[in-house]
Amino acid sequence: DAGVIQSPRHEVTEMGQEVTLRCKPISGHNSLFWYRQTMMRGLELLIYFNNNVPIDDSGMPEDRFSAKMPNASFSTLKIQPSEPRDSAVYFCASSLLTGQETQYFGPGTRLLVL
Amino acid sequence: AQSVAQPEDQVNVAEGNPLTVKCTYSVSGNPYLFWYVQYPNRGLQFLLKYITGDNLVKGSYGFEAEFNKSQTSFHLKKPSALVSDSALYFCAVRETGTASKLTFGTGTRLQVTL
Repeated sequence: DAGVIQSPRHEVTEMGQEVTLRCKPISGHNSLFWYRQTMMRGLELLIYFNNNVPIDDSGMPEDRFSAKMPNASFSTLKIQPSEPRDSAVYFCASSLLTGQETQYFGPGTRLLVL
Repeated sequence: AQSVAQPEDQVNVAEGNPLTVKCTYSVSGNPYLFWYVQYPNRGLQFLLKYITGDNLVKGSYGFEAEFNKSQTSFHLKKPSALVSDSALYFCAVRETGTASKLTFGTGTRLQVTL
C-alpha cells in the first residue's frame, strides 16, 4: 500500500497568495483528517470527514481556511489569502471507520508563507 | 471532553537502559488509547493501541504500553533503549462511542545517548 499521499511536500509562498494542499487517503479508508503542527501550538486537528462528509470543522482557524473532499480518494485544504502565521507543517491522515480505527498519517506539507 | 497529558517535554536515557514515556488521560467513558512516534521531517507513525483486553499492549520496534484504569495512565515503555529510538512521541485518546476524533498530547521528545 502506498500509504497516505500528500502534495506538495514543501510550499513557499508570499503573503496574500492562495495555497492548496492535497491529500490522497489510503485506498478503502473512509475517514480523513487534516492536522496542523507548529512548535508553539503542537498538533491541532483542523477538520475531519467521514464518508466524504465534513463532521467537525471546529479546528479550522478562520474563514481563510476551507477543506473539501469531492470523492473518497481526494481531499484539499485551501488557504486564501495566506498569512505568515499559517506557516506550519500540515498533515493529512486517514482511517477506516470500524469503531477502533487507527489513523495513518501522510508525510506532511511544510508550508512557509513569507 | 476527552484530554490527554504528557507531563514531560523531554526524556533522556542512555542506550541499553529501560525507557518510560508517561501519558495520562481523561474521558467520560472507556478510552481507546494510542501511541505514535514522529521522526524528524516525517509524519506520525502508529506504534500501538489499547482497545480492550490485556492491559499490556505490545507494539512496533519493541515498544509496549500498560493501560492502568485506576491511574488513568498509558505509559510507553521499552526494556532497552536504542539511539535510533530518539524521536518525538505522542499519546492520543478517543472515547468509545464517540466519533472518530483523536485528542493528542503535546508530545515528549525522547533522547537516547550512547
